[in-house]
Amino acid sequence: SYVLTQPPSVSVAPGQTARITCGGNNIGSKSVHWYQQKPGQAPVLVVYDDSDRPSGIPERFSGSNSGNTATLTISRVEAGDEADYYCQVWDSSSDPVVFGGGTKLTVL
Amino acid sequence: QVQLQESGPGLVKPSQTLSLTCTVSGGSISSGGYYWSWIRQHPGKGLEWIGYIYYSGSTYYNPSLKSRVTISVDTSKNQFSLKLSSVTAADTAVYYCARGASGSGSYYVDYWGQGTLVTVSS
Repeated sequence: SYVLTQPPSVSVAPGQTARITCGGNNIGSKSVHWYQQKPGQAPVLVVYDDSDRPSGIPERFSGSNSGNTATLTISRVEAGDEADYYCQVWDSSSDPVVFGGGTKLTVL
Repeated sequence: QVQLQESGPGLVKPSQTLSLTCTVSGGSISSGGYYWSWIRQHPGKGLEWIGYIYYSGSTYYNPSLKSRVTISVDTSKNQFSLKLSSVTAADTAVYYCARGASGSGSYYVDYWGQGTLVTVSS
């Protein structure tokens, strides 16, 4: 089955830029989606189709995808961005819906 | 605004069947193009996709759970349901119902229920 690899944790100071990676074999050929989950809450979609933002998601959240790595970039990080972030792809060849293991973003 | 709400027992005995229902409001479950999904999260762990039912009625399940999972839909009540048989403690998790959307030939979840904790214990 297709595997997505995320770093367990990323730390960043307020106002700086956070980059969360999602690795997978030739992931650049797939559409990658990103979710934010705060403690005790359901996940929220923050980026879909590699780089599109749902309505209501700040422009500070952006995504890119190429080769074997997709990246979620959060600019001008705020304390409220502290959360777990999950990447997800659709892999029609095996388990169609695959999630990465998640990355805990800590705002210092 | 689409809203989803899970309901069902919070405690299930080992070897029994876990049954949950998701009630959808703010949109018709019969409208085309959506994947009515179940996703779970073990305590302190990541997200695990369980399966979905397409608006046409076709289903697709996680291969690791396929032998125990059934997802069905009741369009008259605007609900869809999850049944997971022969549960063990390893099935203890927060269960989310969700709406999957399709973009660029892919799948992503645009609406989630609040989640319901199901504990498997005698």
